[in-house]
Amino acid sequence: GAGVSQSPRYKVAKRGQDVALRCDPISGHVSLFWYQQALGQGPEFLTYFQNEAQLDKSGLPSDRFFAERPEGSVSTLKIQRTQQEDSAVYLCASSLEVSGRGEQYFGPGTRLTVT
Amino acid sequence: AQKITQTQPGMFVQEKEAVTLDCTYDTSDPSYGLFWYKQPSSGEMIFLIYQGSYDQQNATEGRYSLNFQKARKSANLVISASQLGDSAMYFCAMRDRSSNTGKLIFGQGTTLQVKP
Repeated sequence: GAGVSQSPRYKVAKRGQDVALRCDPISGHVSLFWYQQALGQGPEFLTYFQNEAQLDKSGLPSDRFFAERPEGSVSTLKIQRTQQEDSAVYLCASSLEVSGRGEQYFGPGTRLTVT
Repeated sequence: AQKITQTQPGMFVQEKEAVTLDCTYDTSDPSYGLFWYKQPSSGEMIFLIYQGSYDQQNATEGRYSLNFQKARKSANLVISASQLGDSAMYFCAMRDRSSNTGKLIFGQGTTLQVKP
């Protein structure tokens, strides 16, 4: 079956522009996660959805970051007034289970470059 | 606070040999899960292997095995019979099983290069 897909794969934004990053999780997966990965670092948690409910947004670095999953499937991560420090790869992951081992399946990521 | 430490920024291994990638973790929770992911240059994180804190045996998945030493809080990944396609970044991660989110905490990663 299809894996997690993300679009666009690459995005270049001028400082101050708004961007929207899309994630299509594996069909039927209840849990959806967004992570931010700086160059040469491990991914860092941003936010978590269980179906359409955003249960944890503790990792969002500022109020310029906003995520939604209105129908419990596709999710969008929006960054307003982008700054150079927002440059990173944004990874989306989905998981079938809420509990149990709950391994997460990742998409290819969106590489955001803010100039 | 939970933390994952990978102390090897880069490793080299000869093709067909075995290699061990180190991972130590810190948590005060009795229930947790440990994962290893592979990230090739294409960027996608590929799930390799899982170890639960209450699992009695070390996890194995094909050429991958996990050397889990609970008292030492280490969960090293062993790759046997290395292949050129194993060249990638490897991340150790921990999931707090008592959390209602299941978010992963990642280490800094180890870059593995397999030499022909």
